[in-house]
Amino acid sequence: EAGVAQSPRYKIIEKRQSVAFWCNPISGHATLYWYQQILGQGPKLLIQFQNNGVVDDSQLPKDRFSAERLKGVDSTLKIQPAKLEDSAVYLCASAPGGATNQETQYFGPGTRLLVL
Amino acid sequence: KQEVTQIPAALSVPEGENLVLNCSFTDSAIYNLQWFRQDPGKGLTSLLLIQSSQREQTSGRLNASLDKSSGRSTLYIAASQPGDSATYLCAAGGSNYQLIWGAGTKLIIKP
Repeated sequence: EAGVAQSPRYKIIEKRQSVAFWCNPISGHATLYWYQQILGQGPKLLIQFQNNGVVDDSQLPKDRFSAERLKGVDSTLKIQPAKLEDSAVYLCASAPGGATNQETQYFGPGTRLLVL
Repeated sequence: KQEVTQIPAALSVPEGENLVLNCSFTDSAIYNLQWFRQDPGKGLTSLLLIQSSQREQTSGRLNASLDKSSGRSTLYIAASQPGDSATYLCAAGGSNYQLIWGAGTKLIIKP
C-alpha cells in the first residue's frame, strides 16, 4: 500500500512570496489533515478535511493560508504572502475516517519550508 | 483546553538499557492516547494506540501504559538499541478524530 505522498520536499522562498504544497493521501482515506510543525514543537493542526468538506480550520491563518481538497482526494495548501515565522515543516496526514475515534493517522514525509 | 506535556525534552542513555518516556495531559476526557516516532527529515510513524478503555498496549520491545485518572501515559522501551534513536511524540485523541500533541522527547541511544 502506497503511503501519503507530499511534494515538494524542500522549499526556500523570500518573505512576501507565495508557495504551494501538494498532498496525495492513502487511497480510500476520507480524512486528511495539514499540520505545521515548528522546530522543537509538536505538530499544530491547520486544517482537517472529511472527504472534500472542511471539518476544522480554526487554527488556519486565513488571511494568508488557504487549502482545498478537490474531489475528496488530493489536497493543496497555499501560503500567500509568506512571512518569516512560516518557516516550518508542513505535514500532511490521512486516516480512514470511519465511524470510530480509535484510528491512527498516517503521515507523509513533510515539506520543509524556509522563508528568508 | 487539552494540553500535552512531555518531559524530559531530551534523553541520552547507553545501548541496552531499559527506559521510560513520560507524557502528561490535562483533560482526562480522551478517546485514545497515541505514541509516534519521528526520524530526522521524515514524517511521523505511529507506534502504539491505547484506547481510552485500555490500560496498556505492547508491540515488540515497546509497551505503552495509560492512566486517565492521573492524566499520564508512559512509553517503556526495553533493551534499547541505537536504531531507537529518534524523537518520540505522544498525542491525546479527542473528538472529530483530532490529536493534541506534545513537543516530543529526543532520545539518543549511545552505542
